[in-house]
Amino acid sequence: EPEVTQTPSHQVTQMGQEVILRCVPISNHLYFYWYRQILGQKVEFLVSFYNNEISEKSEIFDDQFSVERPDGSNFTLKIRSTKLEDSAMYFCASDLAGGGETQYFGPGTRLLVL
Amino acid sequence: AQSVTQLDSHVSVSEGTPVLLRCNYSSSYSPSLFWYVQHPNKGLQLLLKYTSAATLVKGINGFEAEFKKSETSFHLTKPSAHMSDAAEYFCVVLNSGGYQKVTFGTGTKLQVIP
Repeated sequence: EPEVTQTPSHQVTQMGQEVILRCVPISNHLYFYWYRQILGQKVEFLVSFYNNEISEKSEIFDDQFSVERPDGSNFTLKIRSTKLEDSAMYFCASDLAGGGETQYFGPGTRLLVL
Repeated sequence: AQSVTQLDSHVSVSEGTPVLLRCNYSSSYSPSLFWYVQHPNKGLQLLLKYTSAATLVKGINGFEAEFKKSETSFHLTKPSAHMSDAAEYFCVVLNSGGYQKVTFGTGTKLQVIP
C-alpha cells in the first residue's frame, strides 16, 4: 500500500522562527496539498500544487507561507516567521489525477509555536 | 461555493448497535464526497468515497454511505459499532468543477460505549 510520509512528526519552535515541514508524496502522484488542523477545529485547506506551481491557495496561505518541490520527491511547506496561531497539525496529501478519488493523506506534523 | 455540514458534533452509541453520522453538502458542481476517520494522534484515513458512480458506497471496516442528491446528503452508516470505531469522522466535499479545493466538515466524534 503506497503512503505519504511526513517529517518531523512533531516540531516545537519559538515564535518568529522559520520552520520547514517535509512531505514525501506517493511517487507517481502529480497533485500535492497542504492542510492544517488547529486543535479542536476542522481541517482547513491551505494550498494545492501542480506542475511546479501553486494552483490554488486559501486566505490562510499568506506571504508567510511558501511551498516547494525542490528535488522531485519532497514537497515542503515553509513558514517564514512563525506565530503562536500557527500551532496546528499540518497534513500533506498527494493525488494521482487531481480528482480526489486517489488522494492520500500523510500522518501529519504537529507544530507547536511557543 | 461549496460547504459541508456535519449535523452532530458528538454521537454516542453502544457497542453492537448501528451508527449513523450525518452529512449534508452544497456544491455548485457535481461533487465528489468522502468520509475520513481520524483516530487520536493519528493522521486521516480514507473510509470511502463517492465519485458519481453507484450511489451506495461501501468502505472499509463495514462502513457505507449513500449519496442522495435530492436531499444533498451523504450520511455514513455501520450496522454494528465496534469499540475500535471510536474516533473523529470528517465528511469532505471536493469541487470537481475547477481547481481542486477540498472542504472539510467540522467533524463528528463517535463514542462507543461497551
